[in-house]
Amino acid sequence: GAVVSQHPSWVICKSGTSVKIECRSLDFQATTMFWYRQFPKQSLMLMATSNEGSKATYEQGVEKDKFLINHASLTLSTLTVTSAHPEDSSFYICSASTRGGTGQYFGPGTRLTVT
Amino acid sequence: GQNIDQPTEMTATEGAIVQINCTYQTSGFNGLFWYQQHAGEAPTFLSYNVLDGLEEKGRFSSFLSRSKGYSYLLLKELQMKDSASYLCAVRTPADYKLSFGAGTTVTVRA
Repeated sequence: GAVVSQHPSWVICKSGTSVKIECRSLDFQATTMFWYRQFPKQSLMLMATSNEGSKATYEQGVEKDKFLINHASLTLSTLTVTSAHPEDSSFYICSASTRGGTGQYFGPGTRLTVT
Repeated sequence: GQNIDQPTEMTATEGAIVQINCTYQTSGFNGLFWYQQHAGEAPTFLSYNVLDGLEEKGRFSSFLSRSKGYSYLLLKELQMKDSASYLCAVRTPADYKLSFGAGTTVTVRA
């Protein structure tokens, strides 16, 4: 149980275009979903927290107009990187949790490369 | 802010034991997690401590002392496949967020 999927697993896009990443909890309802970014040889940095049906809460320094998050249901959250630039190239990981649960369940990650 | 410290790298021999320490100073505490992450992959859950003491799960054990803001992950009978990055993370009660340490890269040598 507690499986989280992400799609796509990798994507290459041109500078200036937008990319959408989906995060799904497959066998449970996720009260909260988290989006992280990880640069090579660095740890996970939380970008935003997303609760179903409400606006995402962004961490300091993360542009909410650039990284659009939608959490329309208890099993799906999406992250859209708008007007992507090469510096947005990174490994994006989502996780999902239930209120009071013992932890966060991570998706397999999406590697974004912006050329 | 949250401050979580762990060593950057550790090397050990196959079959040996390695202990990865983690110290933390956070605004609130609602559990400490250890994750394993292989290169290019997402983290996988290893252990969870919320009360003081030792939690044992097969070859992996994790210890917590809340008064000292200290935890360690003990890896026994090391195997080559244990070569990975190990992340210490603390959850804060107000928002259930996880704050991660920078990770410890463990290299297991034959």
